[in-house]
Amino acid sequence: EVQLVESGGGLVKPGGSLRLSCAASGFTFSIYNMNWVRQAPGKGLEWVSSISGRSDYIYYSDSVKGRFTISRDNAKNSLFLQMDSLRAEDTAVYYCARGSTTNGMTWGQGTLVTVSS
Amino acid sequence: QTVVTQEPSFSVSPGDTVTLTCGLNSGSVSTNYHPSWYQQTPGQAPRTLIYSTNTRSSGVPDRFSGSILSDKAALTITGAQADDSSDYYCALYLGGGLLFGGGTKLTVL
Repeated sequence: EVQLVESGGGLVKPGGSLRLSCAASGFTFSIYNMNWVRQAPGKGLEWVSSISGRSDYIYYSDSVKGRFTISRDNAKNSLFLQMDSLRAEDTAVYYCARGSTTNGMTWGQGTLVTVSS
Repeated sequence: QTVVTQEPSFSVSPGDTVTLTCGLNSGSVSTNYHPSWYQQTPGQAPRTLIYSTNTRSSGVPDRFSGSILSDKAALTITGAQADDSSDYYCALYLGGGLLFGGGTKLTVL
């Protein structure tokens, strides 16, 4: 069974940093694109970043470019999102998702990040 | 700025057929955008219904179907059921990234 378990969320002050993790199991992690998608409270879904299986293709939304860094460790079946210079508008549930719109995305349950003083 | 458009809300009766659409403010949606559709109920993670325009994800009932209608992607629910009441999001692939629509709140009652 495919499982994606996010962790690392919490309360952080504006300007602070946080590192999210996503532990994957039940599939061959290294061959899949992986993504981070977020959802602010009461709002819609927003794509944040994607990374290819071998980390040779990496993309970011304009809203996080230069502040967030996506990475993965295929040996540990893990996906990461390093979030720096956090702003109040980064407050959201962050979902880890396997795959793409061409082969279907499988979603984790999400981790809440709250940016507030 | 590119925006993906969806109907904000839709209300239908059980048994009705409903079509939700997904458009682009800058032009037509084609299969090249690999439109996908997601269902989300409050407090839950999204669930993928349709990807690559019209491919159903594993376990998704066949009353859900995807297509291109005129210049938009479309999600059709044939014979809507009460537990189809959810938020529905579409997403388009825009060369390396995804762009989600604002979502449609579907009520079936």
